[in-house]
Amino acid sequence: QKEVEQNSGPLSVPEGAIASLNCTYSDRGSQSFFWYRQYSGKSPELIMFIYSNGDKEDGRFTAQLNKASQYVSLLIRDSQPSDSATYLCAVKNSGYSTLTFGKGTMLLVSP
Amino acid sequence: KAGVTQTPRYLIKTRGQQVTLSCSPISGHRSVSWYQQTPGQGLQFLFEYFSETQRNKGNFPGRFSGRQFSNSRSEMNVSTLELGDSALYLCASSLNLDRPYQYEQYFGPGTRLTVT
Repeated sequence: QKEVEQNSGPLSVPEGAIASLNCTYSDRGSQSFFWYRQYSGKSPELIMFIYSNGDKEDGRFTAQLNKASQYVSLLIRDSQPSDSATYLCAVKNSGYSTLTFGKGTMLLVSP
Repeated sequence: KAGVTQTPRYLIKTRGQQVTLSCSPISGHRSVSWYQQTPGQGLQFLFEYFSETQRNKGNFPGRFSGRQFSNSRSEMNVSTLELGDSALYLCASSLNLDRPYQYEQYFGPGTRLTVT
């Protein structure tokens, strides 16, 4: 059973701080990793994807991948109250065209 | 470019009935995946269709079925509804050109199904 684990939170950070969201996965053969943001009552929105070890930056978001440790993280710099949402980590299963999702981490950014 | 659309957005059914949900992917996307989302279980994979063929299937009973049409539009059907089928049903589309390491999925707004 391929698994993706996330701390359910909530992770509370003050406005302007860096929020760090973490994800571990069990399928060592996984090659593609995704972060989705889901606001309450809405559908998931793709915000980042990463395929290679290291960091990938896009605006205030940085995704970090360490395949040896089977670990993916998402950093949100200068957090805003509008970033308050649940963040879902997803991993493409090796040998399949499917994604396995973690249960998500709720982020709360206080003004 | 228009996003993924799903109809209907909300649905209320009674136990024992059946329901059909529809999904239109982003233009040019050939892969459509369906998920069930509940507060307790999170996002659970139902099935994936590519070029009108079911390519992968999750661990759901046979009451859950789907299909894809030649224009990539997809439908899923749930027969003999149970109370536990109440959930948000999400459809996601992907370009899926078999390029290595790439499989970005884009979600529709979902269909909220309530079974009473």
